[in-house]
Amino acid sequence: GQSLEQPSEVTAVEGAIVQINCTYQTSGFYGLSWYQQHDGGAPTFLSYNALDGLEETGRFSSFLSRSDSYGYLLLQELQMKDSASYFCAVPGDGGSQGNLIFGKGTKLSVKP
Amino acid sequence: ETGVTQTPRHLVMGMTNKKSLKCEQHLGHNAMYWYKQSAKKPLELMFVYNFKEQTENNSVPSRFSPECPNSSHLFLHLHTLQPEDSALYLCASSQRPNQPQHFGDGTRLSIL
Repeated sequence: GQSLEQPSEVTAVEGAIVQINCTYQTSGFYGLSWYQQHDGGAPTFLSYNALDGLEETGRFSSFLSRSDSYGYLLLQELQMKDSASYFCAVPGDGGSQGNLIFGKGTKLSVKP
Repeated sequence: ETGVTQTPRHLVMGMTNKKSLKCEQHLGHNAMYWYKQSAKKPLELMFVYNFKEQTENNSVPSRFSPECPNSSHLFLHLHTLQPEDSALYLCASSQRPNQPQHFGDGTRLSIL
């Protein structure tokens, strides 16, 4: 079976840096994705890591360690608009024929 | 604008009604998905279509009936729903299964 674990809530202040961790358990591994969802909105794709290391996209970075079955999303220079839920996701069993399995999400609250 | 359009945005129906949710994508993707999102729960994959063929039915009750007439359109036909079916129903598409997904804004469904 597959499972993903991430913290349910994180709080930080504007301008700070926050890291949202995700550990996963899969029978095969085909990449770790991150999605952002604002209240009442659609999930939006943020990043995808297939290989170990850090991927940077502006203020957001995503890291993967396949040997540790672990990844994180790093948000820098936090802004109020970053308040949202963040989901990590992995493809289901079967890899290319599988489909994304999502974590329960981490609700990030950014305070002034 | 994500390229995935869902209608209606909100739907209130009685348990004996029949209604349909519609999803259309303008991204040229080949895979389309239905998800259910309830409060405090992770996104639950319901159905997957790849090149118009259903490849996944995640043990969804038969009162939910999907239809995919072509790669750009996806429907979810609803009949005899239960109060616990009240949720946000999200449609998504991707170039291929397990690739990054683009979500619509969802239909907020309330069953009376």
